[in-house]
Amino acid sequence: EPEVTQTPSHQVTQMGQEVILRCVPISNHLYFYWYRQILGQKVEFLVSFYNNEISEKSEIFDDQFSVERPDGSNFTLKIRSTKLEDSAMYFCASVQGADTQYFGPGTRLTVL
Amino acid sequence: SQQGEEDPQALSIQEGENATMNCSYKTSINNLQWYRQNSGRGLVHLILIRSNEREKHSGRLRVTLDTSKKSSSLLITASRAADTASYFCATETGGKLIFGQGTELSVKP
Repeated sequence: EPEVTQTPSHQVTQMGQEVILRCVPISNHLYFYWYRQILGQKVEFLVSFYNNEISEKSEIFDDQFSVERPDGSNFTLKIRSTKLEDSAMYFCASVQGADTQYFGPGTRLTVL
Repeated sequence: SQQGEEDPQALSIQEGENATMNCSYKTSINNLQWYRQNSGRGLVHLILIRSNEREKHSGRLRVTLDTSKKSSSLLITASRAADTASYFCATETGGKLIFGQGTELSVKP
């Protein structure tokens, strides 16, 4: 069964460094999402992406964040200058249409 | 209350018992989805119910949706120790999912 994959599974970085989190959505899906979950809290929507552009973003998704689909398969989330409060689990999800969103296993980001 | 709030926050039952979790939301939705998360792991999709559906079944799972009350429930029948996890409802509006705080289910053998 096709699945969403994410790399790395765990990323440790120093405050102020740039990180890129990578996702490979399911191949025939059209809509892509990033969510994050701070430890012990609920999953929060960050951004949605369709047709090579951002369709919606949350208040969390400020100008330190960016997303890109550099080729036909990868979908990336970049944080330009990480802060301590960016430490969280980041999930990528994809969906074909108005249907089930399939989540990847997540990347645990730890900012020191 | 916030969109997608689950009740109870924690539930502890014995193996073989049924577990019921409730979810309330505030705005109109296209569909409501339930996910499961084992500690520190990814989100596993369980079931999706559309706004024009009232009840759906999948194996030991039964989901109901009452759009007039803006609420949903997830019933897990004949629970097993392996069902121990956090369960989240998520409402879909305009594509994005809005998650609740989740219910932590503990099933004791």
